[in-house]
Amino acid sequence: GQQVMQIPQYQHVQEGEDFTTYCNSSTTLSNIQWYKQRPGGHPVFLIQLVKSGEVKKQKRLTFQFGEAKKNSSLHITATQTTDVGTYFCAGPSNTGKLIFGQGTTLQVKP
Amino acid sequence: DTAVSQTPKYLVTQMGNDKSIKCEQNLGHDTMYWYKQDSKKFLKIMFSYNNKELIINETVPNRFSPKSPDKAHLNLHINSLELGDSAVYFCASGPVNQPQHFGDGTRLSIL
Repeated sequence: GQQVMQIPQYQHVQEGEDFTTYCNSSTTLSNIQWYKQRPGGHPVFLIQLVKSGEVKKQKRLTFQFGEAKKNSSLHITATQTTDVGTYFCAGPSNTGKLIFGQGTTLQVKP
Repeated sequence: DTAVSQTPKYLVTQMGNDKSIKCEQNLGHDTMYWYKQDSKKFLKIMFSYNNKELIINETVPNRFSPKSPDKAHLNLHINSLELGDSAVYFCASGPVNQPQHFGDGTRLSIL
């Protein structure tokens, strides 16, 4: 079946360092969505990318959608302790459900 | 105003008991979902309802029974709870294949 893989599973960085998580789908996606889940919290929608090669920025966060619409990345510049959490990508399936990646848990050392 | 609210937030109970989790959304969405998040944080869809009609039913034990009295509510009843049911259960709402809004989650612990 359709799969969405995300790497790395965990990342520890020093505050101020950059961070990137990668998402790969086994099939072409109509869109890719990114969510953030703080420790003890619930997933919160960050952004949706729709177009091939699309790049969107939210302050220090940069999201990319690959040309083939099968992969995506989230890059955080100069991490802060407020960036701590688990970042999920999610892509729609042809059966009407979102397939979530396994998530990348980011720890930031002050 | 809370967009998606679910209760209770914590549920600690004995194996073999029956329990229910309630969910309500005030976003006007037609579609609601139940997800299970295990200890490794893997999010997996369990059920989806569109305007009170079941549209997604993943491979979930039939001890789990969702009920949608109207499109703003989706409840989850679990019979004969087992140790492996311990997880965080999230309710969500949103158009099919589009961004979803999640509730705060219900942390279920089976003793």
